[in-house]
Amino acid sequence: GAGVSQSPSNKVTEKGKDVELRCDPISGHTALYWYRQSLGQGLEFLIYFQGNSAPDKSGLPSDRFSAERTGGSVSTLTIQRTQQEDSAVYLCASSQVRGSHNEQFFGPGTRLTVL
Amino acid sequence: AQKITQTQPGMFVQEKEAVTLDCTYDTSDQSYGLFWYKQPSSGEMIFLIYQGSYDEQNATEGRYSLNFQKARKSANLVISASQLGDSAMYFCAMREDGNNRLAFGKGNQVVVIP
Repeated sequence: GAGVSQSPSNKVTEKGKDVELRCDPISGHTALYWYRQSLGQGLEFLIYFQGNSAPDKSGLPSDRFSAERTGGSVSTLTIQRTQQEDSAVYLCASSQVRGSHNEQFFGPGTRLTVL
Repeated sequence: AQKITQTQPGMFVQEKEAVTLDCTYDTSDQSYGLFWYKQPSSGEMIFLIYQGSYDEQNATEGRYSLNFQKARKSANLVISASQLGDSAMYFCAMREDGNNRLAFGKGNQVVVIP
């Protein structure tokens, strides 16, 4: 079956511009996560969606970052007024909450470069 | 405070030999899960193995096994019979009870040489 997909795969933008990153989770997965991976670093949690519950936004680094999930499926991560420190790979993951260990399946990521 | 610690420098491993990647974690929860992911140069994160805090036996998945020492709060990954395709970054991660996010370590770089 199809895995997690993300678009675009690469995004180059100018400082101050807004960007939108898209994530299509695995069909039937109720949980969706966004992480950020800066060069040579581990993954940093950004936000988590579970069903119709209020999202866990505790990892968002500033109010320039926001995300939504429409219809319990596709999610969009928006970064407003991008800064150079926002350059990173943005990874989306999904999981079934019910299960022995709720393994998260990751997408290929969007590489964001802010000039 | 850092929850997952991976401090080994990059490692070179001879093909067909075993390699152990260290991971220590910090939590006050009694119920938690530990994960290892592989990230090759292509960038995708590939799930390898899971260990639950209440699991009495060490987890195994093919050539991957997890040396879980709860009292020492360590969850080392053992890769047996290394293959060239095992060259990648390896990340240890933890999910604490009641919290679905994963906390990741900074990773271990492994290069398998023929």
